[in-house]
Amino acid sequence: QVQLQESGPGLVKPSQTLSLTCTVSGGSITSGGYSWSWIRQFPGKGLEWIGYIWHSGSTSYNPSLKSRVSISRDTSKNQFFLKLSSVTAADAAVYYCARSNRPASPPEGYFRHWGQGTPVTVSS
Amino acid sequence: EIVLTQSPGTLSLSPGERATLSCRASQSVSTSYLAWYQQKPGQAPRLLIYGASTRATGIPDRFRGSGSGTDFTLTISRLEPEDFAVYYCQQYGNSPPWTFGQGTKVEIK
Repeated sequence: QVQLQESGPGLVKPSQTLSLTCTVSGGSITSGGYSWSWIRQFPGKGLEWIGYIWHSGSTSYNPSLKSRVSISRDTSKNQFFLKLSSVTAADAAVYYCARSNRPASPPEGYFRHWGQGTPVTVSS
Repeated sequence: EIVLTQSPGTLSLSPGERATLSCRASQSVSTSYLAWYQQKPGQAPRLLIYGASTRATGIPDRFRGSGSGTDFTLTISRLEPEDFAVYYCQQYGNSPPWTFGQGTKVEIK
C-alpha cells in the first residue's frame, strides 16, 4: 500500500519561497503511468490542484500558479518536491501530496492516495 | 477552467435517511471524468467515486454516483453515522487544471 508523507516548514515569510517534500513509501515514483500531485486546502476548506510530476518526470501546473510553482523529484530518495515562490497570506493552506488512482497515459487527475497534509502559515 | 458548483451547501439529515448531493459544471466534463471525495475533520479527502459512477476500492455500495455532461449526483442511500462529513466533487478532464467544487457538508439533524 503506497503511503505519502509531507514535510517542510510550517511558517514562511511573505515574499519568500515555500518548499515542501513528499516522501513516498510502498511504491516508486517512477512506476509507469502514475501522476504525483500537490494539492492545497485553504482555511475556508476549498481545494486547489497545484500541479503534478509524472512517472517520466514531465510536469503540469495550474495556470493560476504557473509563474510561481515548480515540482521536481529525487528518484534515489523516492521523493518529490514543491516550490512556490513569492508567497503571500493567500498561500496559507494545508498542503497535500497525492497519487493518482491507476497508471494511465495521459495521467489521470483524480487521487486515490493522499498524505496527511501539512499546514503552512505565511507571516512575518 | 471548469468551475464546479455544489449544492446544497449543507444537508441536515438523520441516520438512515437518503442523501442527494449535486455537482454542476460550468461546461461539459469530458468522458464523465468526475470524482467524489469524502473528508472528515483533520483527515485528507478519501476517494469515493471516479468516472462519475465507479466506486473506488472498498467503498460501500450505499454510495452511488451518477450523471454526465454538466450535471452529476452523489447519492448515499441510507446514511450511516460515519457518513456525516464534507463531500467534494472534482473534474479531471483531459486538460488541466483539474478543479474541485466547494463542498457539501452532510450534518446530523
